[in-house]
Amino acid sequence: GAVVSQHPSWVICKSGTSVKIECRSLDFQATTMFWYRQFPKQSLMLMATSNEGSKATYEQGVEKDKFLINHASLTLSTLTVTSAHPEDSSFYICAPLQTKNIQYFGAGTRLSVL
Amino acid sequence: GQQLNQSPQSMFIQEGEDVSMNCTSSSIFNTWLWYKQDPGEGPVLLIALYKAGELTSNGRLTAQFGITRKDSFLNISASIPSDVGIYFCAGRFTGNQFYFGTGTSLTVIP
Repeated sequence: GAVVSQHPSWVICKSGTSVKIECRSLDFQATTMFWYRQFPKQSLMLMATSNEGSKATYEQGVEKDKFLINHASLTLSTLTVTSAHPEDSSFYICAPLQTKNIQYFGAGTRLSVL
Repeated sequence: GQQLNQSPQSMFIQEGEDVSMNCTSSSIFNTWLWYKQDPGEGPVLLIALYKAGELTSNGRLTAQFGITRKDSFLNISASIPSDVGIYFCAGRFTGNQFYFGTGTSLTVIP
């Protein structure tokens, strides 16, 4: 299968700071990248879809100014949680879309905001 | 958005038993995917299905794309402790958007 690297795997930050999460597809190019959020014992909630070189499309209820997505290359996308607050604490997972219309997921980033 | 109903929500089985779970949709899909997620990890792809009626195996796992295109099934034969986790289905109609099921939590009792 395809290899996806997501970093960091766990981050703790103070309220009001910003956190950047990186997602790389190591052995394939991804024109499209999905970012998900997952709460404990719940399913995946799509936050936004980004296409390389274009602005991301955010799902209803997701603040684009708070969750900044950059998809500058076919192998790298970043999600920046700006001015993080405790309610932003969650598990964030990226999923680049491979050419066979399959999403391969990163290992996820657990964000804890104090 | 599109909601996929996945059942059962949770299962507790003895090691060696077979497992069946399914996913249903109110809309038809062109692609069905099955994932397994371990605690603290991202989902890992198990099986991808692309055609109605398609039956695909991956080791002890077998998945089927329902004839109506509104459902899919995943079976695990002779379960082992490492099968423990949460299983998600995902469906796609057209475009790049995938819709995820609510998950089936599997516990295997040694």
